[in-house]
Amino acid sequence: SQQGEEDPQALSIQEGENATMNCSYKTSINNLQWYRQNSGRGLVHLILIRSNEREKHSGRLRVTLDTSKKSSSLLITASRAADTASYFCATVQGAQKLVFGQGTRLTINP
Amino acid sequence: DAGITQSPRHKVTETGTPVTLRCHQTENHRYMYWYRQDPGHGLRLIHYSYGVKDTDKGEVSDGYSVSRSKTEDFLLTLESATSSQTSVYFCAIMGGWGGDTQYFGPGTRLTVL
Repeated sequence: SQQGEEDPQALSIQEGENATMNCSYKTSINNLQWYRQNSGRGLVHLILIRSNEREKHSGRLRVTLDTSKKSSSLLITASRAADTASYFCATVQGAQKLVFGQGTRLTINP
Repeated sequence: DAGITQSPRHKVTETGTPVTLRCHQTENHRYMYWYRQDPGHGLRLIHYSYGVKDTDKGEVSDGYSVSRSKTEDFLLTLESATSSQTSVYFCAIMGGWGGDTQYFGPGTRLTVL
């Protein structure tokens, strides 16, 4: 089974609104990562948050991590049409292996 | 795509034929990975390599084999393709500051008829 589970599976919002995606995981982690996948392309790393961090920012991205609840959230502020993509969380499992969730499909409507 | 190429990018083949997909990296990274991506399943790890001639199985390794004779190349072979192996295949390398993040190739779309 997947270590990370994203919620919701699909999200559709208007351009300019904020988009929030959630990820839950099962085992203890050293870090949690978020990736983006545009249609027909490979995944692109967005941001990594370590287990001793609670919040991290990168441009319009804000990631939070709650290790007590084994959950993380990705917030994209002031969304743009170019943010339309699938977003995946991933955690390291074992020796240098990442386990990915099934992803959230985000659609930004103009 | 961080110096990672995959070939071919698209392939259509028939059930029972052997297929080899190639992943090539120019970054000299030690760890390389093969995933398949299917609707409803996200990315699933097939095999990975932690050095030349060092490989290990992932979550969905049945029906697949891999080889790594050079640091830069990681080959995925379907010995006898089946329709259930129709998928998009991604290669990745592990890099980043702490060696924790993965960089993906553009993918190979494989259709087995």
